[in-house]
Order: sequence, then structure tokens, then C-alpha cells
Amino acid sequence: QLQLQESGPGLVKPSETLSLTCTVSGGSITSSSYYWGWIRQPPGKGLEWIGSINYSGSTYYNPSLKSRVTISVDTSKKQFSLKLTSVTAADTAVYYCASGPYSSSWLDYWGQGTLVTVSS
Amino acid sequence: EIVLTQSPGTLSLSPGERATLSCRASQSVSSSYLAWYQQKPGQAPRLLIYGASSRATGIPDRFSGSGSGTDFTLTISRLEPEDFAVYYCQQYGSFVTFGQGTKVEIK
Repeated sequence: QLQLQESGPGLVKPSETLSLTCTVSGGSITSSSYYWGWIRQPPGKGLEWIGSINYSGSTYYNPSLKSRVTISVDTSKKQFSLKLTSVTAADTAVYYCASGPYSSSWLDYWGQGTLVTVSS
Repeated sequence: EIVLTQSPGTLSLSPGERATLSCRASQSVSSSYLAWYQQKPGQAPRLLIYGASSRATGIPDRFSGSGSGTDFTLTISRLEPEDFAVYYCQQYGSFVTFGQGTKVEIK
């Protein structure tokens, strides 16, 4: 059973870069059967897809966030990461890592989520 | 961007009743690339349905999905106490977008 776990700072200052990591266990991060993605959910609101990556590093980003987002993968550490630059209070959200079979697809495995607050 | 509009915003029902949730897309969703998720407070979303009508692994058969094009429906045939939650639709035919959610609450 695939398991995903997010980690990273819970507080980020405005204009700085938000950085999160997702550690994969119970399955291979180099499997061609999975794409690895990030989704966020502002408090009390709905879900927003940020983007995804596969084991070879091919990335797919939400056009509305593309200019600020970088998703990368480190297969040796069984991790993939999210960087979001120039954050504002609007980026405060629970950030989930998740996996699905295609670059844009349903998401069948999810991490528990981590709250990131943007505040000075 | 494909915008998904879910209705109603809140559905008040009793255990044992049938729930019908709607998801309407601003343009046709190719190949019925639509999924449904259940989310309970403090938890990550849980995949219920993909491909508009295929149940995910371990999902009870009281959950069913239907529809094509721009109109999709999630039906819960008989509500169990654990089914009261927020439900989201998601399209993945053109990037990925989610609906705003429907809350199913106990009447």
C-alpha cells in the first residue's frame, strides 16, 4: 500500500519561498505507474491542483501557478518536492501530496496534508 | 480552464435516504475524465469514483457515478452514518480542476 507523507515549515513569511517535501513508502517512486502531485486547500475552501511530476522529471503545472511553482523528484531519497515562490497570505493552505496513474488523472493515494501559514 | 459547478451546496438527509449530487462542467469533459472524492473534517480526500462511473478499490457499491459530456452525478443509494461528509468532483481531461464541493449533512 502506497503511503505519502508531507514535511516542511508550517510558517513562511510573505514574499519568501514555500518548500515542502513528500516522502514515498510502500511503493517505488521510480515506477512508471505513478505520477506524483501536489494539491492545496485554503482553510474552509475547496481543492486546487498545483501540478505533478513523474519519476523521470517530466512536470505538469496549473497554468495559474506555473510562474511560481517548481516540482522536482529525488529518486535516491524516495521524495518529491514543491517550491512556491513569492508567497502571499492567499497561499495559506493545507498542502497535500498525492499520486495518480497519469500526469493529469484521478488521485488514489494522498498524504495526510500539512498546513502552511503565510504570515510575518 | 474547465470550471466545475456542484449542486446543491448542502444536502440535508437522514441515514437510509438516497443522495444525489450534481457536477456540471463549463465545457465537455473529454472521455468522461471525471472523478469523485469524499472528504471528512481534518482528513485528506478519499477517491470514490474515476472515469465517471468506475468505483475505486474498496469503495462500497452504494456509491455510484454516472454522466458524460458536461453533466455528472454521484449517487449514494442508502446513506450510512459514515457517509456524511463533503464531496468533490474533479475533471482531468484538461489539466485538473475541482468543483467547490457539496456538503452532505445529517437532517
